[in-house]
Amino acid sequence: AQRVTQPEKLLSVFKGAPVELKCNYSYSGSPELFWYVQYSRQRLQLLLRHISRESIKGFTADLNKGETSFHLKKPFAQEEDSAMYYCALSGLNNAGNMLTFGGGTRLMVKP
Amino acid sequence: GAVVSQHPSWVICKSGTSVKIECRSLDFQATTMFWYRQFPKQSLMLMATSNEGSKATYEQGVEKDKFLINHASLTLSTLTVTSAHPEDSSFYICSATSQFEQYFGPGTRLTVT
Repeated sequence: AQRVTQPEKLLSVFKGAPVELKCNYSYSGSPELFWYVQYSRQRLQLLLRHISRESIKGFTADLNKGETSFHLKKPFAQEEDSAMYYCALSGLNNAGNMLTFGGGTRLMVKP
Repeated sequence: GAVVSQHPSWVICKSGTSVKIECRSLDFQATTMFWYRQFPKQSLMLMATSNEGSKATYEQGVEKDKFLINHASLTLSTLTVTSAHPEDSSFYICSATSQFEQYFGPGTRLTVT
């Protein structure tokens, strides 16, 4: 079974402070991991995926297979980063690839 | 970029009635669409995987006779909540796969009174 855990439901930081949103996973195969973001009153959208190893909006995430983690980091948070962040793992069900989501972390960046 | 729409965006219905929610991929063809359910302050839970031209695959615990899914074309999947009850009130979100990436619809809020 695949599982994604985001231990923090809420993370509140001041503007300019570093941010780390934690994500741990369990999966028996080779995982493909994603971070999705949902801004207020907007749809869920992809922020980044581990295979592309890119930085989006200043965010990075490194897959650590030893610790089964995929934490999302940003060195200097901005107010516009305030949103709901979901870590997700792509695995296989009987019909094909499926996404399993973590519980989500609400990031609040205060001025 | 790929766009997924849902209709309606919100609906209120009486207990015992059925409600149909549409999910469309506007500028791409999607052989696979997914239906999720999200309760307040909770994460998205996959309900079923909808494959064009074949029966949907339901996740454990999801009643297939209650949540009817039809994927009639490469751009349209529908979710029908049959004999709705207040506990079916939730936010229903669909997604469609294009180029190995999932694109999400804006969601449909269902309230059953």
